[in-house]
Amino acid sequence: DAGVTQSPTHLIKTRGQQVTLRCSPKSGHDTVSWYQQALGQGPQFIFQYYEEEERQRGNFPDRFSGHQFPNYSSELNVNALLLGDSALYLCASSVEEGGTGGAIPYGYTFGSGTRLTVV
Amino acid sequence: GENVEQHPSTLSVQEGDSAVIKCTYSDSASNYFPWYKQELGKRPQLIIDIRSNVGEKKDQRIAVTLNKTAKHFSLHITETQPEDSAVYFCAASMWAGNMLTFGGGTRLMVKP
Repeated sequence: DAGVTQSPTHLIKTRGQQVTLRCSPKSGHDTVSWYQQALGQGPQFIFQYYEEEERQRGNFPDRFSGHQFPNYSSELNVNALLLGDSALYLCASSVEEGGTGGAIPYGYTFGSGTRLTVV
Repeated sequence: GENVEQHPSTLSVQEGDSAVIKCTYSDSASNYFPWYKQELGKRPQLIIDIRSNVGEKKDQRIAVTLNKTAKHFSLHITETQPEDSAVYFCAASMWAGNMLTFGGGTRLMVKP
């Protein structure tokens, strides 16, 4: 059973460019959340997608946007990249409590992340 | 919004000793408290979690306690081993699949 997969693993972009990161959730999970983890800090919540809609959003500017597809996979897009956007971007999948996940744990399962470097 | 504070930021113990990491949270509506272990360059991995209707939970050498009145929870690791060395994060949320608010992390070093 594949866990959460993210691509690419590493990425180098120039200031002002745009980037798209991808995430496939764990089998049976229907909710995808994105986090930004700067070096030496805890992950910070960007947003969460459920049923192809953004359900919750953290304190991130509109340059950060996302999408969820019918197969529950998700993309994170960041426009007009800044040096401060350099971080590890983590995707986490989960399943609604009381949903169809059966024995799958409710809580988050994180992917290995995409390391974004903006130069 | 929720705010989670974690202490200490670094913790060095001798192999075999116990380690305790403490977190406080601000939002009384939070009722799910997971702990994650993150090794260098790897994903955060859930090691234990607790819900607000439980005061303590144990899994082998790891235990978590929750004091909902005081809004703090702690991670206890007994008989520490060098492979326990990592950064540990506490987090809080309103329910298990909701957004997590993380603490700042504790770097645990277990010296052989």
